[in-house]
Parts: sequence; C-alpha cells; structure tokens
Amino acid sequence: GAGVSQSPSNKVTEKGKDVELRCDPISGHTALYWYRQSLGQGLEFLIYFQGNSAPDKSGLPSDRFSAERTGGSVSTLTIQRTQQEDSAVYLCASSQAGVRGNTIYFGEGSWLTVV
Amino acid sequence: SQQGEEDPQALSIQEGENATMNCSYKTSINNLQWYRQNSGRGLVHLILIRSNEREKHSGRLRVTLDTSKKSSSLLITASRAADTASYFCATGGNEKLTFGTGTRLTIIP
Repeated sequence: GAGVSQSPSNKVTEKGKDVELRCDPISGHTALYWYRQSLGQGLEFLIYFQGNSAPDKSGLPSDRFSAERTGGSVSTLTIQRTQQEDSAVYLCASSQAGVRGNTIYFGEGSWLTVV
Repeated sequence: SQQGEEDPQALSIQEGENATMNCSYKTSINNLQWYRQNSGRGLVHLILIRSNEREKHSGRLRVTLDTSKKSSSLLITASRAADTASYFCATGGNEKLTFGTGTRLTIIP
C-alpha cells in the first residue's frame, strides 16, 4: 500500500486478555519500528526490526510484550495478559534502511484500551 | 529517559504570528528530525537536519541546530490554523529514534 497500515485502529479489551496488533509496512522498507504513546506523552520505543538482523527488543517493557516480523514484511505486536497500564496508542513505523539519514513513516496507530 | 526535551510544553499564538519551539538533547547525534502529530495519531515527518548543518528551511519551516549546546529550534512562520498539532523532535545516533515529549501548538484564528 501507499503508507504504513495498522490494525485494528481501536481495540477495547478486558484486563488479562491477550491482544495482537498488526502492522503492514510500506513495500520495500526493510526497517520496522514499534512505539507506544500514552495519553499526552512522548513516544516510547518498543522494538526495531532491520532486515534479517536480530531485532532490538530493548524497549519492550515486560515479558508480556513480544513482536515478530514474518517474511521481512508484516509485523505483529502481541501483549499477553493485558493490564490497564498497557492502555496507549501503539504506533508502527517503517523506513527504507536504518534511521540514519532516512525518514521513517508512521501508521495511524492502534488505540488500545484495557478495561 | 527521553533523549529530546521540547520547550515549551504548550504554546498558543494568534494566526499569522511565528511559532518557535525548542528541543534539547543529551548525547551526540548524527541527525535530528522534527515530526508533527495531529490528534494523537500518526506522526508526519517535517524536516531532518544533519549534525554538520546549522540551519535548514522547508517552506514556512526553519530549523536550526547547535551541536555545541545540544539544542535545536523549529520556527513556523506565518502560522495557520492547520498548524495546530503537537511537534516532536527526534534523535537517533543509531537506528533507534528517540522522541521528546512534544510541544502542543495551538493557533488561534
């Protein structure tokens, strides 16, 4: 597609349930990023995929969070046993290479509400 | 902790006036980028300035970078109501972009 596509755009889930958030990056982009943004806050880095390299998972807040990227394209962010503090907008972005000198393009985000 | 910190946190100006936002960062950088976010959704890239550049222009946007002070400023000239948004600076010495907490800009018609 023309831009980064994320689904669902909005998700309300009960505390303790698992959720999956999907990101479809721009075709040909080798780098993919997940960020989290709580209400009124800045962006918190979660995870970064670049080509076939091992992902940088340094931003994942707990072992309840995991992400994978299949075939170097679509990525899924999974949150297990959701907690209320997981409520946030989850933003995916992609770029043609690493961010060094390259623009990254964001999707519209998935707004997660844990009740 | 945030690498970039924007100042002010919120800014309200009359349409037609200029808006200036500042960003300070902590570690050395290869480049610094500014992004805009409308209504808490996806961010849109505005401009990138490299560490060996001091000033860059794009339309009504002017960005400066002072690596000795580890700071950058974003100037929006002749502001319009459509400029109302949150503005973030982002730095990345490696492939991981780190964002500040943003400046919320409101343009009053």
